[in-house]
Amino acid sequence: EDQVTQSPEALRLQEGESSSLNCSYTVSGLRGLFWYRQDPGKGPEFLFTLYSAGEEKEKERLKATLTKKESFLHITAPKPEDSATYLCAVQAWETSGSRLTFGEGTQLTVNP
Amino acid sequence: DTEVTQTPKHLVMGMTNKKSLKCEQHMGHRAMYWYKQKAKKPPELMFVYSYEKLSINESVPSRFSPECPNSSLLNLHLHALQPEDSALYLCASSQDFGGAGLLDPYNEQFFGPGTRLTVL
Repeated sequence: EDQVTQSPEALRLQEGESSSLNCSYTVSGLRGLFWYRQDPGKGPEFLFTLYSAGEEKEKERLKATLTKKESFLHITAPKPEDSATYLCAVQAWETSGSRLTFGEGTQLTVNP
Repeated sequence: DTEVTQTPKHLVMGMTNKKSLKCEQHMGHRAMYWYKQKAKKPPELMFVYSYEKLSINESVPSRFSPECPNSSLLNLHLHALQPEDSALYLCASSQDFGGAGLLDPYNEQFFGPGTRLTVL
């Protein structure tokens, strides 16, 4: 069974204080790993897709990296508007189609 | 454009009411999804439509009835719901719903803003 574990559950940062969120996964053949950002009461916003170990992707203050067992979402010099829940999800080659297995999310709060 | 739209934004209904949630995308995607999300939990898959045919039903109670009138539209018909069905209902779409083993690099799912449903 595919499993995704995100840590920490919650993270409080001061504005400008860089940090990383972790997503550990167990999957029978990784097809893709996805990062989403979700604001309260809204739908998840797609951020990145990573397909193979060693891959990195960047968007503004965010950088996602992937190894064979985990992914990190690095946040550089965060701003209060980066406060949100960050969800990690995986797709496996052996499961049905584009089904996603989600982690429980990391709730990030950035204080001014 | 990666926009998925959902209406209504909020819905309050009694247990005897019949209502519908609507979802639309104009990205040419051929797979559409319904998810249910409870507070502080990740989205849970309910239904998947691929090329306008129901591909997956995650053992959802029959009081939820999905419909895909065409490749751009997805409806969720609600009838005789229970208070525990109150949640954020999310629609998503992806270019395809590739089967196991198929090479499909464009399989990101894009979510709509959701409908906040309250059942009294």
